[in-house]
Amino acid sequence: NAGVTQTPKFRVLKTGQSMTLLCAQDMNHEYMYWYRQDPGMGLRLIHYSVGEGTTAKGEVPDGYNVSRLKKQNFLLGLESAAPSQTSVYFCASNRGSYNEQFFGPGTRLTVL
Amino acid sequence: KNQVEQSPQSLIILEGKNCTLQCNYTVSPFSNLRWYKQDTGRGPVSLTIMTFSENTKSNGRYTATLDADTKQSSLHITASQLSDSASYICVVTWVTGGGNKLTFGTGTQLKVEL
Repeated sequence: NAGVTQTPKFRVLKTGQSMTLLCAQDMNHEYMYWYRQDPGMGLRLIHYSVGEGTTAKGEVPDGYNVSRLKKQNFLLGLESAAPSQTSVYFCASNRGSYNEQFFGPGTRLTVL
Repeated sequence: KNQVEQSPQSLIILEGKNCTLQCNYTVSPFSNLRWYKQDTGRGPVSLTIMTFSENTKSNGRYTATLDADTKQSSLHITASQLSDSASYICVVTWVTGGGNKLTFGTGTQLKVEL
């Protein structure tokens, strides 16, 4: 099993450009999450999904959109990237909100 | 406000030595507390989980303790190895009307040297 995978691993964008980060999991998990990790701060939840076709806002949702069209995939979109969105993005999944979250390897995004 | 604070921010120890990392939280109502290990350039990986009724939990050379009364947890690493160099993150799960929520600490950066 690959677990949780993320693509791409690295990306550099110019301000105003758009992009989509892809997260895939092969553990048949219902719940999936997108976090951002910034220096000196704990992981912060951007959006999450409790099942196929559902999405919900987390702690820092502004500037991001998500979609969960298939159970195994969770997409994070930036419609108009800003330098404040420079960060490392982690996707995670679990069977339920009480269970251990399994994290992907992360995507390092730089917005110039 | 639900918060998780970890100390120290960073720590350097010699290989073979022991160390203890601290986590204090103000999260309520408490559900469980996990310690994660995050290697550089990788995602966090769970080491231990403790619920309200558990005082201690071990995973190899890692031993976590929990005092739910004082809202403190510690992670003790015994006979450290170079591979223990990583960030250790304390994560507290709390209960809301909308389900369980997580609050992450900022982590303790541990470096093990020869």
